[in-house]
Amino acid sequence: ELKVEQNPLFLSMQEGKNYTIYCNYSTTSDRLYWYRQDPGKSLESLFVLLSNGAVKQEGRLMASLDTKARLSTLHITAAVHDLSATYFCAVARPSGTYKYIFGTGTRLKVLA
Amino acid sequence: EPEVTQTPSHQVTQMGQEVILRCVPISNHLYFYWYRQILGQKVEFLVSFYNNEISEKSEIFDDQFSVERPDGSNFTLKIRSTKLEDSAMYFCASMVASGGSYEQYFGPGTRLTVT
Repeated sequence: ELKVEQNPLFLSMQEGKNYTIYCNYSTTSDRLYWYRQDPGKSLESLFVLLSNGAVKQEGRLMASLDTKARLSTLHITAAVHDLSATYFCAVARPSGTYKYIFGTGTRLKVLA
Repeated sequence: EPEVTQTPSHQVTQMGQEVILRCVPISNHLYFYWYRQILGQKVEFLVSFYNNEISEKSEIFDDQFSVERPDGSNFTLKIRSTKLEDSAMYFCASMVASGGSYEQYFGPGTRLTVT
């Protein structure tokens, strides 16, 4: 069964600092998705990564995918308070129903 | 831009009561899903639905749960006799599965509170 792990679970960082969130998964897949969730809200799609070596950037966030290492990273550059949220990665099972298996989530708090 | 909608946004029910959560997927999508998120935890897969039948269900999706697509637009999740532990946010998602992205589009969620 596909397992997805994220670390860290909690991240408190100062504004202006850089940090990386890691998402590891246990079986082959080349479809990985990053979401942002604010408290009590739905899942906001951030990035769709579809192939080995994919790199996407939006503002202060950059996501990458290494399918050989079964690893995706979400890098935060010069964090600002508005980035405070919970971030989830999700891996699509590569066949069948294409269900998503979500990571445990990383709760990010950016301190002013 | 088309989006997945869900109603109600919040449902409060007493233990043992039946609830129906409703979703309207994006119109040309063919795959439909329900996920659950207990407060403070990760999002968990419940069930997938394709071609008018369940294609996969998780261990959580026991006999108390059922899904239906009654009229070609709505997609519903029914819980026959709710338990306290069913309290969670329930997300509906749909996917077209063409173009290779297999990206699911999530609705805003229904918060179910069982008292």
